[in-house]
Amino acid sequence: QSVVTQPPSASGTPGQRVTISCSGSNSNIGNNYVYWYQHLPGTAPKLLIYRSNQRPSGVPDRFSGSKSGTSASLAISGLRSEDEADYYCAAWDDSLSGWVFGGGTKLTVL
Amino acid sequence: QVQLQESGPGLVKPSGTLSLTCAVSGGSISSSNWWSWVRQPPGKGLEWVGEIYHSGNTKYNPSLKSRVTISVDKSKKQFSLKLSSVTAADTAVYHCARNFYDGGAYSNGMDVWGQGTTVTVSS
Repeated sequence: QSVVTQPPSASGTPGQRVTISCSGSNSNIGNNYVYWYQHLPGTAPKLLIYRSNQRPSGVPDRFSGSKSGTSASLAISGLRSEDEADYYCAAWDDSLSGWVFGGGTKLTVL
Repeated sequence: QVQLQESGPGLVKPSGTLSLTCAVSGGSISSSNWWSWVRQPPGKGLEWVGEIYHSGNTKYNPSLKSRVTISVDKSKKQFSLKLSSVTAADTAVYHCARNFYDGGAYSNGMDVWGQGTTVTVSS
């Protein structure tokens, strides 16, 4: 069991806005930045959000991140079929002295 | 543009040692970044294994620390993972990744990843 928790699944229709939550503790999300990755099995994971709310160049502004206390969220607006993937949050954990990933959320575009 | 490529045996016997190498191209391995290993067991999520700085400083997942060694060879522009006493639970796709710091104190995320290599532990 991961110390950072995500819902196992989420879904939405094209054009809709969906959010994926990530819950942790003071040792990880509460005191550190959150990172979000998009992953299609069989491919390399892709960095979507760094330092909780920053987008790397090339990532569409449809993707946005936020953090409040020991929780964080990834929002995807204008949902597209190509957004169907697994999404992972990650943070540094001060107690473990290591990076922790959430269990992942499988996003389905209906 | 930095690219990473994993290589190593796809099959390892139980109780043996898993050995993988990640080749870095298109950039310097001696830049101010950490170089990471992340794995994904079948049907499960991503798990951070550990990472190394070009100086040789390392950080390891506490749950694997007793079995993991990550090393760097700057002359060959590659870093390596060794995981000893493997069991079926170590069967996974292993990715190497750049943990990008850009000279600062905080990570800008794992921004470059290798495609991953599948390692199966079986007799």
